[in-house]
Amino acid sequence: DAMVIQNPRYQVTQFGKPVTLSCSQTLNHNVMYWYQQKSSQAPKLLFHYYDKDFNNEADTPDNFQSRRPNTSFCFLDIRSPGLGDAAMYLCATRSSGEGYNQPQHFGDGTRLSIL
Amino acid sequence: AQSVTQLDSQVPVFEEAPVELRCNYSSSVSVYLFWYVQYPNQGLQLLLKYLSGSTLVKGINGFEAEFNKSQTSFHLRKPSVHISDTAEYFCAVTVYGQNFVFGPGTRLSVLP
Repeated sequence: DAMVIQNPRYQVTQFGKPVTLSCSQTLNHNVMYWYQQKSSQAPKLLFHYYDKDFNNEADTPDNFQSRRPNTSFCFLDIRSPGLGDAAMYLCATRSSGEGYNQPQHFGDGTRLSIL
Repeated sequence: AQSVTQLDSQVPVFEEAPVELRCNYSSSVSVYLFWYVQYPNQGLQLLLKYLSGSTLVKGINGFEAEFNKSQTSFHLRKPSVHISDTAEYFCAVTVYGQNFVFGPGTRLSVLP
């Protein structure tokens, strides 16, 4: 089945140690999103790629970066994780080819813990 | 800008009882509406969507929702819930060319 895959499912890192989360998709969608979700809260959009164009949300800290080397893969880099960055990170994709009203498809997320 | 309100943060209900999860939105233009479900330690799964046409939308797992433009609502309903429906439910809205705006979520707890 076509899907959005996030690796790893659980990631533990040390305070200040860089970490990279990955997302791959077989849906061939041109739009990819990264969300941060803390406990009992709605997902918060960090940034998204529309094709190769990177779009950063205004309140996303500089500590968060992203790369999209090709259509299928997208990475979230946290350069110096702080305790407040412990959260679930969700990747989502969407096809804009069928219109702006298409739903987003989510991966199962990576739960990041900071020691 | 759009916004979404889910007035009920938690909804406990007994198994086989009906349930309604409320969603209200605000927007000055036409909207597209979605309901997602999130099970523990998983991503969001699309339950149903309203894009246009019939205001009553049927989704997966026996859920349905009704779009009411005059009341700016998109409430989610299920006539008989199961234990397996216990999860977090998010309402989301988008308009042409904009990103999704998610509501704060409603935690549905189905009790035996």
